[in-house]
Amino acid sequence: QQPVQSPQAVILREGEDAVINCSSSKALYSVHWYRQKHGEAPVFLMILLKGGEQKGHEKISASFNEKKQQSSLYLTASQLSYSGTYFCGTSWRGGSEKLVFGKGTKLTVNP
Amino acid sequence: DTAVSQTPKYLVTQMGNDKSIKCEQNLGHDTMYWYKQDSKKFLKIMFSYNNKELIINETVPNRFSPKSPDKAHLNLHINSLELGDSAVYFCASSQGGGRGVYNSPLHFGNGTRLTVT
Repeated sequence: QQPVQSPQAVILREGEDAVINCSSSKALYSVHWYRQKHGEAPVFLMILLKGGEQKGHEKISASFNEKKQQSSLYLTASQLSYSGTYFCGTSWRGGSEKLVFGKGTKLTVNP
Repeated sequence: DTAVSQTPKYLVTQMGNDKSIKCEQNLGHDTMYWYKQDSKKFLKIMFSYNNKELIINETVPNRFSPKSPDKAHLNLHINSLELGDSAVYFCASSQGGGRGVYNSPLHFGNGTRLTVT
């Protein structure tokens, strides 16, 4: 049950904002967010464990809407270094001990 | 100093050969994973071990055999390589036992790019 990410790709100018969504057809237990730059490994950004939880990391924050079974990643005042592919990973209540990743959202920040 | 290290970084081999990828973590984590990332960037879990015990074994051809000699090491052996096995293979680890994946971040190695010709 792969989570669905949207949009598939985003192109921004430096300083602009973006929102990446991650939704599931099953009740979520936790949502992870990772960023992967070209040719590198995915790097952990944050985990959200409770419904309604919001977390922040520099100018990147995320929310978790348990009722809607979705999470959103907010990138504000984007910087060139934010470019990369963002993945959400989800686990479900009563599911096996694995993290299933979405297909990723490619973010490009131009000067 | 590297937290999760994989070797080799690149692996180019011919169809039908057998190859291994090694992974080691020095974070003291209990759980280790193998993920496969295909050309479309889809990250798919293959195996997970907790304290040397196999806990996740996805629908992966039995040509792929993981081995965990201790909780700091997880190796992947692939027999009779096929063209479709070409991908980047990531090892990862996380803190915690069987439920660790729910509330602990995954730390990824730098990946092994496997090319089968």
